Amino acid sequence: AQSVTQLGSHVSVSEGALVLLRCNYSSSVPPYLFWYVQYPNQGLQLLLKYTSAATLVKGINGFEAEFKKSETSFHLTKPSAHMSDAAEYFCAVSDGFQKLVFGTGTRLLVSP
Amino acid sequence: DAGVTQSPTHLIKTRGQQVTLRCSPKSGHDTVSWYQQALGQGPQFIFQYYEEEERQRGNFPDRFSGHQFPNYSSELNVNALLLGDSALYLCASSLYRQGEYGYTFGSGTRLTVV
Repeated sequence: AQSVTQLGSHVSVSEGALVLLRCNYSSSVPPYLFWYVQYPNQGLQLLLKYTSAATLVKGINGFEAEFKKSETSFHLTKPSAHMSDAAEYFCAVSDGFQKLVFGTGTRLLVSP
Repeated sequence: DAGVTQSPTHLIKTRGQQVTLRCSPKSGHDTVSWYQQALGQGPQFIFQYYEEEERQRGNFPDRFSGHQFPNYSSELNVNALLLGDSALYLCASSLYRQGEYGYTFGSGTRLTVV
């Protein structure tokens, strides 16, 4: 079975500061990993995905994530936070054939 | 290129009633999955449809059923609604067994059961 753990239900940063959202996964097969963002009252938008090519994945809006097999991690980072980054972020894992399994989400708060 | 379209956007139903939610997948996708997202939670997988058949199912009771049509669109039906069924219902489309190409989500249907 696959699972995802997101450490920290809330993360607060100042505008311009580094954003780091943590995700650890468990999978018995090589995983596909995804980060999605959800703005209030909206659906999920794909930020980036890891599908066994480069371990450092660049996504939209300046976000990137690094797949570290030894640490079973796929943390999401952005060098400089913007007010518009405030949202809920979900990490998800899939084996490519089955369903997406989501973490519980991390709410990013950005203060001026 | 149209993405995933869901209807209606909001719905209010009474306990015990039945509801049908609809989803049109992204152009070129052949698989539709449904997820339930309760307030403050991550999405939970309900089931997946491909070639008009349910291929996988999550841990949801039989009150939740679905259908896929020849044009790949899909419906989610929930019978005997409970207050706990209140949630955002998300539809995701993809290519069957090719998850590496990604899953595209719709904006969801917000169901409130009173």
